[in-house]
Amino acid sequence: KNEVEQSPQNLTAQEGEFITINCSYSVGISALHWLQQHPGGGIVSLFMLSSGKKKHGRLIATINIQEKHSSLHITASHPRDSAVYICAVRENYGQNFVFGPGTRLSVLP
Amino acid sequence: DVKVTQSSRYLVKRTGEKVFLECVQDMDHENMFWYRQDPGLGLRLIYFSYDVKMKEKGDIPEGYSVSREKKERFSLILESASTNQTSMYLCASSLWRGVNNSPLHFGNGTRLTVT
Repeated sequence: KNEVEQSPQNLTAQEGEFITINCSYSVGISALHWLQQHPGGGIVSLFMLSSGKKKHGRLIATINIQEKHSSLHITASHPRDSAVYICAVRENYGQNFVFGPGTRLSVLP
Repeated sequence: DVKVTQSSRYLVKRTGEKVFLECVQDMDHENMFWYRQDPGLGLRLIYFSYDVKMKEKGDIPEGYSVSREKKERFSLILESASTNQTSMYLCASSLWRGVNNSPLHFGNGTRLTVT
């Protein structure tokens, strides 16, 4: 079974800072999912990617399949970006996802 | 936009009660999932279904069962609720039809307390 790790566990940043959250996994995958969960809120999908890079607004996600690693970057961070960011991988030959433990981000004004 | 609706946001039940958690999606997705989320343990898969009347156990199926009689509805059943089933329960759905990059769409969650 895939082991999914995220770093850091917790992150505090000042508004405007560039933020990077990392995700690594142990076994080959068909796709990787970045998710966001605000306190008390539901979980929303940010990106789903299987290669290269995707960008949406101030968020950028990259994946390196050979190194089994993905990063989520937030440029010009804002207090509304404060949330838990979760990495999930879909293994080859399956429909299930394996989730990382999440990274709790706090952006201070 | 895909909508995944969970019937209750908060639920309080007594030990031993039979509990039904309902989830409905409106986008004709084949796959539906039930997860529970606990502090420090992340999201854990209880059951998933890839078609009507089809189900597969996830990582923590003990004490739970599921029902999928219609494509849009996936129910989680706690046969005899216990205090260790106090948790946040999240339903999700995704498209299959051979699409590997189909994302998960989550409901808002049901916070269940068993007393």
